[in-house]
Amino acid sequence: AQSVTQLDSQVPVFEEAPVELRCNYSSSVSVYLFWYVQYPNQGLQLLLKYLSGSTLVESINGFEAEFNKSQTSFHLRKPSVHISDTAEYFCAVSDHGDYKLSFGAGTTVTVRA
Amino acid sequence: DTAVSQTPKYLVTQMGNDKSIKCEQNLGHDTMYWYKQDSKKFLKIMFSYNNKELIINETVPNRFSPKSPDKAHLNLHINSLELGDSAVYFCASRQGTNTEAFFGQGTRLTVV
Repeated sequence: AQSVTQLDSQVPVFEEAPVELRCNYSSSVSVYLFWYVQYPNQGLQLLLKYLSGSTLVESINGFEAEFNKSQTSFHLRKPSVHISDTAEYFCAVSDHGDYKLSFGAGTTVTVRA
Repeated sequence: DTAVSQTPKYLVTQMGNDKSIKCEQNLGHDTMYWYKQDSKKFLKIMFSYNNKELIINETVPNRFSPKSPDKAHLNLHINSLELGDSAVYFCASRQGTNTEAFFGQGTRLTVV
């Protein structure tokens, strides 16, 4: 069975500064990895995903994440954040062939001017 | 055109009541889920159906009963509501196991 650990519960950051959100997973098999974003009072939206191929994946709004199999990590980064990036970010994992999608506890990102 | 829609968006009810939340997806996906998000934002999977068949049933009180009349719909019925059932309930759908899940906007349930 898979599990996810998000190492930072809250990350305050200034506008235009870089941010990194850490995610580690545990699984005995190959996995698919996802980052979701939740804005206040909204549902979850997919930010980016790793299914196969290149270990570096990017989103259209400047986020990127790198799958590191040896370290079982999928950290999320953005070189320069905006006020509008203030949200809750969730890392999720699914074992290959498994319908179960498990989420980490979430990281609250607060961007200040 | 909303992909995954839940009704109602807000639900306030008294302890002991029975209530239902409905979910519909128009994506043609074969799998649907119910998640519970508590006050600390933690997302816990509750149930999943694949083509109307229950495939995931986590440790959830049996007061919670999902029903899937067809693969586009997954409803959640809750009997004898308790204060601890207050949370945001999210419906999601997914095609197969090698793709992402799409989430509804959530139903905020408040038990008073």
